[in-house]
Order: sequence, then C-alpha cells, then structure tokens
Amino acid sequence: AQSVTQLDSHVSVSEGTPVLLRCNYSSSYSPSLFWYVQHPNKGLQLLLKYTSAATLVKGINGFEAEFKKSETSFHLTKPSAHMSDAAEYFCVVSDNTGFQKLVFGTGTRLLVSP
Amino acid sequence: GAGVSQSPSNKVTEKGKDVELRCDPISGHTALYWYRQSLGQGLEFLIYFQGNSAPDKSGLPSDRFSAERTGGSVSTLTIQRTQQEDSAVYLCASSLMPGTGEYNEQFFGPGTRLTVL
Repeated sequence: AQSVTQLDSHVSVSEGTPVLLRCNYSSSYSPSLFWYVQHPNKGLQLLLKYTSAATLVKGINGFEAEFKKSETSFHLTKPSAHMSDAAEYFCVVSDNTGFQKLVFGTGTRLLVSP
Repeated sequence: GAGVSQSPSNKVTEKGKDVELRCDPISGHTALYWYRQSLGQGLEFLIYFQGNSAPDKSGLPSDRFSAERTGGSVSTLTIQRTQQEDSAVYLCASSLMPGTGEYNEQFFGPGTRLTVL
C-alpha cells in the first residue's frame, strides 16, 4: 500500500522568504509523486509531478521538488514566497500500475504574511 | 477549453434523504474518478470509471453510495439515506486513459459541498 505523510499541517512564511513543505512517502512500487495546490473555493491544480525521470522537478509558479529515494522524501520548495501562494498543498502518490489511483496526504496550509 | 464541471456546487439535505451529485468530465477523457474531501479524513478515493469497463468501487465507504456513468461521459454519484458523516466536498476528476508506466494528469472539478443536517 502506498501512503504519503505531510509533516506540517501549517507553514507560515513572510513574503519574499523561502518556502519548504515537507513530504515523505511509502510505496511498494516505483512511485509517481505529485504536488497539488488548492486555493480557497477553487479546484485542485497540479503543481508538478515526478514520474521516474529527473529527480529535480520544476513546476508552475516557481515551485520545485526533489525526489530523494534514500530519504523517501519529496519536499516542495520555492525560493521566494508570494502572497498569491497562500493555499492548501497536497502531496500525492500514485502507483504506475492499475488505474493510477491517487493517494493524498493530509495537506499543508501555507500562510504568507506581508 | 472547458474543464471538469460539477453540479450542484452546494447541496444541503436532511438526514435520511437521497442525493445525486453530477460530474461532466472533459470531452475526450475516458477515465473518471470520484474523491471525497472531508474534515479529519482528508481526500479519499471513492470510485473509478474507464470507458465501458466495470468500475472500480473499492473506495466506496458503504452500500449507500453508488455511481454510474452513462454513455462514457457524464457521471452521477448517488448517496442514499444520507448521514451526517457524509458531509464533505465531493470532487470529480477526469483524465485520458491511464497507461502503465506513464501518468495522464487528472483534472479536478470545483467540487460539490454536501451538508447533511
């Protein structure tokens, strides 16, 4: 069975400072990993995905994540936070067999202060 | 182009009533998924449809939940005899046909917020 653990339920940063959202995964298979973002009253949007190609993955809006197999981690980072980054972020795992059911973490709420 | 749409956006019902939630996937997407987002449970998979194949219902929490997909397009999730613990946001997603070893992005709709009084 696959699972992801998001280590922080809330992260607070100031605008212009770096963002780090932490995620650890557990998977029996070679996993596909994703970060989704959910802005208030909006649908889930894919930020980036790792599917066994490059371990450093770049996504939209300046976000990136690094797949580290030895640490079973897939942390999300951004060099400089913007007010518009305030949202809920979900780390997600999917196996590469079957129908690619997504298994979501519990989410991290990112708060950005001026 | 049009994304995944869901209706209604909000639904308030009384305990014991039946409800129907609708999902219109992106045109051409053969795969359709239902997920539920509730406080304390996070986002959980409910059911998966692929073309005309039998759906994977492994995530449905009880036999009060059912879903169908007519003509390989629109899907309806039905909850019978609703309970307060059914209160949640129900999300629908669609994608191109999943392929082994490759990932086709699931596009999510805005969800239906269900409140059971």
